[in-house]
Amino acid sequence: SAVISQKPSRDICQRGTSLTIQCQVDSQVTMMFWYRQQPGQSLTLIATANQGSEATYESGFVIDKFPISRPNLTFSTLTVSNMSPEDSSIYLCSVLLGQGGEQYFGPGTRLTVT
Amino acid sequence: DAKTTQPPSMDCAEGRAANLPCNHSTISGNEYVYWYRQIHSQGPQYIIHGLKNNETNEMASLIITEDRKSSTLILPHATLRDTAVYYCIVRGAGTSGSRLTFGEGTQLTVNP
Repeated sequence: SAVISQKPSRDICQRGTSLTIQCQVDSQVTMMFWYRQQPGQSLTLIATANQGSEATYESGFVIDKFPISRPNLTFSTLTVSNMSPEDSSIYLCSVLLGQGGEQYFGPGTRLTVT
Repeated sequence: DAKTTQPPSMDCAEGRAANLPCNHSTISGNEYVYWYRQIHSQGPQYIIHGLKNNETNEMASLIITEDRKSSTLILPHATLRDTAVYYCIVRGAGTSGSRLTFGEGTQLTVNP
């Protein structure tokens, strides 16, 4: 398994501002993922972030709104730009590990936009 | 990735076995069945996965039917701490497999 930490754990932000969420893993991983979980709903994949290449975004998510950095094999950031109340969600990072392709998740960042 | 169908909710008495079903009738030959759970306000937790043989680990057992169109996750002695949303997901295995796509899952409530 992997130990994954996220910062901040929660934040309250004003409309129109941006927040950068950090994800740190205790081992080197090739594939990292960012998910969003809106209140009362399941997880939705935002993008896949591989080190050394541009992030791959899922339908409905764009780089201008959710820019991602992946500077090395243990770290990634997700920025939520020009926030609106609809961006209020839990944002989770995840890594792919193991021969069986198990995914492990961070504790999440709870974002509230007012 | 194949679509999965799970009941939206289930109840179980503490100390009894919890059997969570999942239908995946469109699963293809190289796709695995993965189970995750999400305890309230936490990130999802990997439980177990399998291809066609039954699997067991320290957390649970996974029973996959011979035709692979359905599976059951078994928590042998459920505790209150097992109350969570359980997700059954089908995808390819290994680092080349596609990413996890979460459905709505089953809300398991373990009652004292």
